[in-house]
Amino acid sequence: DAKTTQPTSMDCAEGRAANLPCNHSTISGNEYVYWYRQIHSQGPQYIIHGLKNNETNEMASLIITEDRKSSTLILPHATLRDTAVYYCIVRVRYALNFGKGTSLLVTP
Amino acid sequence: DSGVTQTPKHLITATGQRVTLRCSPRSGDLSVYWYQQSLDQGLQFLIQYYNGEERAKGNILERFSAQQFPDLHSELNLSSLELGDSALYFCASSVGLGTTKEKETQYFGPGTRLLVL
Repeated sequence: DAKTTQPTSMDCAEGRAANLPCNHSTISGNEYVYWYRQIHSQGPQYIIHGLKNNETNEMASLIITEDRKSSTLILPHATLRDTAVYYCIVRVRYALNFGKGTSLLVTP
Repeated sequence: DSGVTQTPKHLITATGQRVTLRCSPRSGDLSVYWYQQSLDQGLQFLIQYYNGEERAKGNILERFSAQQFPDLHSELNLSSLELGDSALYFCASSVGLGTTKEKETQYFGPGTRLLVL
């Protein structure tokens, strides 16, 4: 299984871009990178996913390096409501393998 | 709102008892997944059903079982409950099978918080 490595925690000032890194050096060619977040004890919320190209949606941007060994989730203008645990997941068949994620704190 | 509904929101019961958690997937989704989130284990995949059939098993105890009905809703049955079963139980749904060759996004429900006393 491809594993991911994320920083335990990060801080970001409100209104600034939050850049959350993820290392997935053992990713296989057909495995997607997914990002979810969990606000307090709510259900995980899907953010974005990608294979090799950069992706953008209304919530965030996903930048994947050319060798696919790492990626960065970008929240362009973080708000206090973006405070959450962010999970970078390399899709392994059916299940999502949630690690410990990055706890992002957005401060005023 | 993901479109996935779970009932009940909270459940308090005693050791040795049996409970049933219910999940209704998003309209059109054929796959249902169950996850458990406890304080010490994080979010762990339990089991997946696709169109009524079991497709994949994760770290699901023998005391736990699940099924998916013809209307595609799913139930997770937990029996002989122990203190350590206290956790959040999440259901997720997706359109199809969720293999690595497909773009399959899982959408999660709000969860059921189970407390075993």
